[in-house]
Amino acid sequence: GQQVMQIPQYQHVQEGEDFTTYCNSSTTLSNIQWYKQRPGGHPVFLIQLVKSGEVKKQKRLTFQFGEAKKNSSLHITATQTTDVGTYFCAGANNAGNMLTFGGGTRLMVKP
Amino acid sequence: ETGVTQTPRHLVMGMTNKKSLKCEQHLGHNAMYWYKQSAKKPLELMFVYSLEERVENNSVPSRFSPECPNSSHLFLHLHTLQPEDSALYLCASSQEFIAQANSYEQYFGPGTRLTVT
Repeated sequence: GQQVMQIPQYQHVQEGEDFTTYCNSSTTLSNIQWYKQRPGGHPVFLIQLVKSGEVKKQKRLTFQFGEAKKNSSLHITATQTTDVGTYFCAGANNAGNMLTFGGGTRLMVKP
Repeated sequence: ETGVTQTPRHLVMGMTNKKSLKCEQHLGHNAMYWYKQSAKKPLELMFVYSLEERVENNSVPSRFSPECPNSSHLFLHLHTLQPEDSALYLCASSQEFIAQANSYEQYFGPGTRLTVT
C-alpha cells in the first residue's frame, strides 16, 4: 500500500532560524496536503498542492510539490515561537479520495 | 473553531467496559472519518463514511464498531478494549469523499483522549 515518510521526526531551532520538513511517498500522488497540529490540539489544514512542481507561499511558509509528484517540502523562514507544533503531510492516492498521513515533524523553537 | 465537536474529551475505561465516542459536524459535509493517533504512530485512518455509508475499513479490530446515523453524526462504539488501544481518537469531516485531482481538506475535531486501564 501507499506509504508516506516524513523527515526529520523532530527539529529544534533557535527563534529566527529556518526550518524545513520533507515528505516522500512510495507512489505517485494526485495531490498532497499539509496540516499543523499545535501541542494539545488537533490537525488543522494548511494547504493543498496539486500540480507537478507547484510552489505556494503563505507568509513565511513555502510549500513545494516535486516534479514527479512523489515528494514535497515545507520551509519556514525565520521561525517564531508561534510556529511550534507538529507538521504533517498527507498524500492522496490517484483517485484523490484517500489520504495517507506522514509521521509528522515536531518543531520546537527556542526563544 | 473547526465546526467539528467530539465528546467526551477524555475517557478512562476498563477493559471490560462498553463506551461510545461521539462526533458531530456542523459544516454540512458529506464525509466523516475516524482516526487513531498514538505517540508511536502517525494518524491512522480507521473508518470512512460517505453519505452515511461506510466506504473504508482499514482492518480495524472488531472491538471498535462505528455508526453513522446521519451525515452530521458519527459514533465509535468501544468494547473489551486493550491497553494498547489508549490513544487520541480524532474525528474529521470533509465536503465530499470522492474527488477528481483535488482532494477535499479535512476538518478535525478536538479528539477524545482515551485511556484503557
